Amino acid sequence: SQKIEQNSEALNIQEGKTATLTCNYTNYSPAYLQWYRQDPGRGPVFLLLIRENEKEKRKERLKVTFDTTLKQSLFHITASQPADSATYLCALVRGNTGKLIFGQGTTLQVKP
Amino acid sequence: DAMVIQNPRYQVTQFGKPVTLSCSQTLNHNVMYWYQQKSSQAPKLLFHYYDKDFNNEADTPDNFQSRRPNTSFCFLDIRSPGLGDAAMYLCATSREGAYLYNEQFFGPGTRLTVL
Repeated sequence: SQKIEQNSEALNIQEGKTATLTCNYTNYSPAYLQWYRQDPGRGPVFLLLIRENEKEKRKERLKVTFDTTLKQSLFHITASQPADSATYLCALVRGNTGKLIFGQGTTLQVKP
Repeated sequence: DAMVIQNPRYQVTQFGKPVTLSCSQTLNHNVMYWYQQKSSQAPKLLFHYYDKDFNNEADTPDNFQSRRPNTSFCFLDIRSPGLGDAAMYLCATSREGAYLYNEQFFGPGTRLTVL
């Protein structure tokens, strides 16, 4: 079955450093991959989408890569700030169904 | 601001007592979704509406039902809540034109507690 794995251990980094979060998937070849941010007790908020033919996508301090050979996406936050502390979810679009399959998320804690 | 609204934000019910969660949107999106999310887990799709067409996930229990009386509103009915149904319930929408790549807009969620 299709599986998405994100590091379940929290990532703790110092303010100003680059945070790198990993999303691995198996048994699937998605055309699109998305990243969402989720704060405690809130719904996810869409951040970025990357297509299978795009290697890299940037938005302000955010950068996403998509390696279809490794079946992996990396999500980077440069010059991290305490306000970036949240859980980050990756999601794959399931074929042409328009449905998303989410990973369980990685919690990022940025310390001042 | 256009948004997805969920009411109530917190719902407490008793074991076996029916409960209804509501979702409304001002985005005028054709597609609406209901997800269940348990602590530290991925959101799990329960069902979605494409306009009035209802699409149930194969593993969604019969205990969960949904209604969409119009474009703006969608309801999640849990007919006989069990302790295992305690979770955050998330409503989301997406534009018809974005259906394939499916950027979704989520509400704040309703936290359901079952006593």
